[in-house]
Amino acid sequence: GQQVMQIPQYQHVQEGEDFTTYCNSSTTLSNIQWYKQRPGGHPVFLIQLVKSGEVKKQKRLTFQFGEAKKNSSLHITATQTTDVGTYFCAGPPQGGSEKLVFGKGTKLTVNP
Amino acid sequence: NAGVMQNPRHLVRRRGQEARLRCSPMKGHSHVYWYRQLPEEGLKFMVYLQKENIIDESGMPKERFSAEFPKEGPSILRIQQVVRGDSAAYFCASSSNRLTGVKAFFGQGTRLTVV
Repeated sequence: GQQVMQIPQYQHVQEGEDFTTYCNSSTTLSNIQWYKQRPGGHPVFLIQLVKSGEVKKQKRLTFQFGEAKKNSSLHITATQTTDVGTYFCAGPPQGGSEKLVFGKGTKLTVNP
Repeated sequence: NAGVMQNPRHLVRRRGQEARLRCSPMKGHSHVYWYRQLPEEGLKFMVYLQKENIIDESGMPKERFSAEFPKEGPSILRIQQVVRGDSAAYFCASSSNRLTGVKAFFGQGTRLTVV
C-alpha cells in the first residue's frame, strides 16, 4: 500500500533558526495536506497543495509540492517557541479513496 | 459555531470492558473519519462513514471494533473487550464533502487508557 515517509523524525533548533521537514510518498498524490499537532493536542489543518510544483506561503511558513507530486516540504523561517509541535504531511492514496495516509511526523522543539 | 466535538476526552477502561467513543461532526458536515494515534506515531485511518453508511472500513481491526453514524446523534466508535494494545488517542474528523479538495477538521480526541 501507499507509504508516506517524513524526515527528520525529530528536530531541535535554537529560536531564530530555520527548520525544514520533508515528506515523500511511494505513489503520486492528487494533493497533499499539512497538519500541526501541539503536545497533547489534536491535528490542526495548515494547508493543502494540489498543483505540481506549487509553492504556498503563510507568514514564516513555506510549503512546496514537488513536480512529480510525490514529495513535499515545509520550511519555517526564524522559528519561534510557538512553532513547537509535530508537523504531519498526509495525502489520499491512489484510486480516489477518501482516507488520508499520514507520515509519522517531524517533532520540532525550539530552545529559547 | 462549534467544531468537531469528541467525548469523553479521557477514558480509562479495564481489560475486557467496552469503550464507547463519541464524535459529533461540525454543523453541516455529513462525512466522518476515525483515526487512531499511538504515542510518537502518525495517525492511522480506521473508518470513513457518511450518515447511516460505512463507506470505507479498511483500517478497522476485524474483531472487537465497530463504528456507526446514525441518522440522528453522534458517530460512535465502539471497542469491545479492550486490551492494553488498544490504548491510544482516537481522533475523529469531519468534512462537508468528500476529502478530495476539502480539508478535514479534527476533534480534540479521546485518550483511551486500558489498565
